[in-house]
Parts: sequence; structure tokens; C-alpha cells
Amino acid sequence: QKEVEQNSGPLSVPEGAIASLNCTYSDRGSQSFFWYRQYSGKSPELIMFIYSNGDKEDGRFTAQLNKASQYVSLLIRDSQPSDSATYLCAANMEYGNKLVFGAGTILRVKS
Amino acid sequence: EAGVVQSPRYKIIEKKQPVAFWCNPISGHNTLYWYRQNLGQGPELLIRYENEEAVDDSQLPKDRFSAERLKGVDSTLKIQPAELGDSAVYLCASSLEGRGGSYGYTFGSGTRLTVV
Repeated sequence: QKEVEQNSGPLSVPEGAIASLNCTYSDRGSQSFFWYRQYSGKSPELIMFIYSNGDKEDGRFTAQLNKASQYVSLLIRDSQPSDSATYLCAANMEYGNKLVFGAGTILRVKS
Repeated sequence: EAGVVQSPRYKIIEKKQPVAFWCNPISGHNTLYWYRQNLGQGPELLIRYENEEAVDDSQLPKDRFSAERLKGVDSTLKIQPAELGDSAVYLCASSLEGRGGSYGYTFGSGTRLTVV
């Protein structure tokens, strides 16, 4: 079982719709969770992190965390073609000060 | 503030040849990470430094990979000899000491290695 799992996609949504990206993790001791965006040929860029159960909003992005279900999600409201990228979920493993990444979900926003 | 700087941006080498990558972290960042990202996969940690000390190198293939971080600033990752399976993007990241796990870290632009 992979430590951080994501659906590889691609997830296709029309412009203006809500994109919902999901992630599960295996280490119950994980405390912090991160969403990175990666454009093709570029390095990952941190867009949000969350460590408390519930929702955290930043502009068009909302991260959701449910530690009981070991589930993290990212909602992107009013999706734009420029949001088309791979979204990487990462968790801080309890046993080390490092992030473990999922394989990423490809998002395509169609205009 | 300058970000994490990596060089070279691209490298093409023949198998069995050596190769080295260089990373300069964000000023003041004590923690430095080297990750490898294969096509279609997420980054995987190779080694983590706290200042000059390699505190987590459990995923580093030590038979052919080596790394150093002299004076706790710049770092070099070396592969000798390179194999076809080493083709990947090598990413360097940095964070303030002890905070990477809580606040995430910043990646450099990466070095895309192609072994032919």
C-alpha cells in the first residue's frame, strides 16, 4: 500500500466548474498535509497546507482534512484553463521531518 | 529573495558516465532535500540534510549515489556510474530547520537527467 494515494486522472472539468481532487494517506500519525501544483516541465509549487480537521480556504482554493478517514481533498472553485496541471498531495510522515508525495492527479480545465 | 537555485537545468549523458547536480538553497534555510521524480510519479526523497549532517539517507542508492553539503549551504548530488533507470528529474528543496514538515518547502527548478 502506498503511503499517499491519489487518482491519477485525468480529471476533466469545464471552465467555471468546481474541481475536486482527493487523496488518502496511510500513516495515522501524519500531522500536516500539502497540495502542490505542477505544470508540465516545471517543478512543484506549494499552493496550500492544512493540519486541522475541517476546511481551510485561500481564494478559489479550499483544502479539506478528515483525519478519522485519513482523507484530504482540494476544491478549486471557478476553475480556469490556467489551473490545468498535475496536483500533488503530500503528507508529513510522523517518523521524519519529510514530505511523502502521492503520484499526482492530472486536472484539465476545458474552455 | 532568491529561490532555490539548481544547475544544470538539463543533462544528457551516456550510461556508465558520472554526473553531478548542484543546489543552492534559500538563504538561511538549514534543511535541504534532494528528491527524484520519475515521469508520471510524485517526488521521492533521496536524502535530507540538517545543516551539514545527512539525517535521512535511507532512500539513497549508496552503491552509485553520493551527496555532500559542505559548510551547510550548497549541496552536490553525484551519480557514478549512471544507469538508464536514473533518467528522471532531480529536485532540490529547502526549508527553515524543522519547519519543512509543518509548512512545506520550496523546490528549485530541477535538473532533468537523460541517460542514453
